[in-house]
Amino acid sequence: KAGVTQTPRYLIKTRGQQVTLSCSPISGHRSVSWYQQTPGQGLQFLFEYFSETQRNKGNFPGRFSGRQFSNSRSEMNVSTLELGDSALYLCASSGLAGGLETQYFGPGTRLLVL
Amino acid sequence: EDQVTQSPEALRLQEGESSSLNCSYTVSGLRGLFWYRQDPGKGPEFLFTLYSAGEEKEKERLKATLTKKESFLHITAPKPEDSATYLCAVQAAGTASKLTFGTGTRLQVTL
Repeated sequence: KAGVTQTPRYLIKTRGQQVTLSCSPISGHRSVSWYQQTPGQGLQFLFEYFSETQRNKGNFPGRFSGRQFSNSRSEMNVSTLELGDSALYLCASSGLAGGLETQYFGPGTRLLVL
Repeated sequence: EDQVTQSPEALRLQEGESSSLNCSYTVSGLRGLFWYRQDPGKGPEFLFTLYSAGEEKEKERLKATLTKKESFLHITAPKPEDSATYLCAVQAAGTASKLTFGTGTRLQVTL
């Protein structure tokens, strides 16, 4: 089975721009979660989508948004980029492993905001 | 609020020198505790899920255990290829798929 794929892998933007990141989950997985990873804060939960509906949301400003399509692929968007948005953005899709939904992560998109 | 604390922050071991990584947590209703391994520039790789106190899971040189307040990842006779950051995360009841992560332990295993 192919793993979680994320595109693009690297991105450089300037302050004030917006960016869209894409995630394709493992085939058959309907839940997609997004996380931001920075050296100072570690991995922080952004939001989770299940069957095209946002099921959970972390403590991030409204500039961070997402959506999920009928084929379970997901996108996240960050508007009005700030320097502090530079991070590794990770997508995870959830599937059953030993009775509990387990999140499997993609390789991430590294975003640099200048 | 759910919290996960990992210690030590960094650990340097010689090949064959066994040790343990600690993950202490506070969560309102633990649904599961997860261990991941992350190599530089890559996404976290799933290792184990633990559900209840007393549970143990093993995989090669790694063994994870769980109590009501903490989890340990025991590394027996490590090899240089075990060098990575090990992340612990908890999932609370009623939070769907949200994971709360610790900041990780950076493990370096030298020859």
